[in-house]
Amino acid sequence: GIQVEQSPPDLILQEGANSTLRCNFSDSVNNLQWFHQNPWGQLINLFYIPSGTKQNGRLSATTVATERYSLLYISSSQTTDSGVYFCAVPSSGGSNYKLTFGKGTLLTVNP
Amino acid sequence: EAGVVQSPRYKIIEKKQPVAFWCNPISGHNTLYWYRQNLGQGPELLIRYENEEAVDDSQLPKDRFSAERLKGVDSTLKIQPAELGDSAVYLCATVAGDPADTQYFGPGTRLTVL
Repeated sequence: GIQVEQSPPDLILQEGANSTLRCNFSDSVNNLQWFHQNPWGQLINLFYIPSGTKQNGRLSATTVATERYSLLYISSSQTTDSGVYFCAVPSSGGSNYKLTFGKGTLLTVNP
Repeated sequence: EAGVVQSPRYKIIEKKQPVAFWCNPISGHNTLYWYRQNLGQGPELLIRYENEEAVDDSQLPKDRFSAERLKGVDSTLKIQPAELGDSAVYLCATVAGDPADTQYFGPGTRLTVL
């Protein structure tokens, strides 16, 4: 099946810093989603971004499907940004709905 | 609009006991997923429903796991009997239209099997 690798696995920031999280995937995809899992376990969809760039407040994401990677940018980080960030892509076989998640990036933002 | 509701939030049982989890989707969301998330990992799909039909249960361990979605709304996931390795967070997610579209997750049920 498709492989999803996220980097870095862990990241510690001071409040106000910027960061870039990366997601590499091993096969062509036409669906990519970024999620944030807060310290209480709630998963929130951040972006549905199979290609191109999207922005939502301090967060933005870019997917370069031809090169099989996606980037999530967090600017002016806040303590509430802490948690695990996952990217997810369809499992191999062409089924868009069956998502394979990466292992995530654990972000800690200190005050 | 209310989000995806799951209950219970936490469950502690002894091995070999049965356990059930319940999910109430966002109103109008026809597609429903059950995932299992082990510590330090991303969620893994167990089963997908389109309305009341289980259209993909290929990753559901059918010897001990079962699921149903009567009337195409609420869903239950059951484990009988539970094993130590079943300790995980069980997540429900729903989608409004295209199954490939944005997934909305519930808060999950954290299961501990002793």
